Amino acid sequence: EADIYQTPRYLVIGTGKKITLECSQTMGHDKMYWYQQDPGMELHLIHYSYGVNSTEKGDLSSESTVSRIRTEHFPLTLESARPSHTSQYLCASREGVGGITGELFFGEGSRLTVL
Amino acid sequence: KNQVEQSPQSLIILEGKNCTLQCNYTVSPFSNLRWYKQDTGRGPVSLTIMTFSENTKSNGRYTATLDADTKQSSLHITASQLSDSASYICVVSDRGSTLGRLYFGRGTQLTVWP
Repeated sequence: EADIYQTPRYLVIGTGKKITLECSQTMGHDKMYWYQQDPGMELHLIHYSYGVNSTEKGDLSSESTVSRIRTEHFPLTLESARPSHTSQYLCASREGVGGITGELFFGEGSRLTVL
Repeated sequence: KNQVEQSPQSLIILEGKNCTLQCNYTVSPFSNLRWYKQDTGRGPVSLTIMTFSENTKSNGRYTATLDADTKQSSLHITASQLSDSASYICVVSDRGSTLGRLYFGRGTQLTVWP
């Protein structure tokens, strides 16, 4: 079992609400990621971080923001949710030494539905 | 353009049968390839990792192969079980930088029927 946790698992909210998806890992990994996944589609990287106070936008444009104040915590925030934000959000972490890429450990996911 | 293509998109087999999933990639320079299993409503979990020098690797009933020349990988599942029903995702990493960018396939949705 991976030691990476996401809350909430399911969230249904109305348009315009602010939401924060939480992600925490206890493995001491420096690298953390947020992916968006729609049914039948590949995972799309929306944010990543290589350490405390380091955050970058991923390949898929997203109106969400992230922060990395502590190594173990990587929350994602949507200031004003819209129906187009309805999706599955997966948080992941990994260790990587030099040019060797480590295994990605995923959380269980947060399924967001915006009405 | 670096891409990862998986086939078939979906597959239905009977319990106890074998099956093979395919992954073709154009990622270059290549670092490694992982197969992940994603149960419905859960996060993906790594099954195997293949590096450039490896041809075959087994993990229980799962056997992955890699042909780095043709840029193809396969995941063979032997004596399938109902619990094998899941999406299987091929993920390729490049070694263009120390950051190791990841490229994801869309996955093969496997359904095992009793």
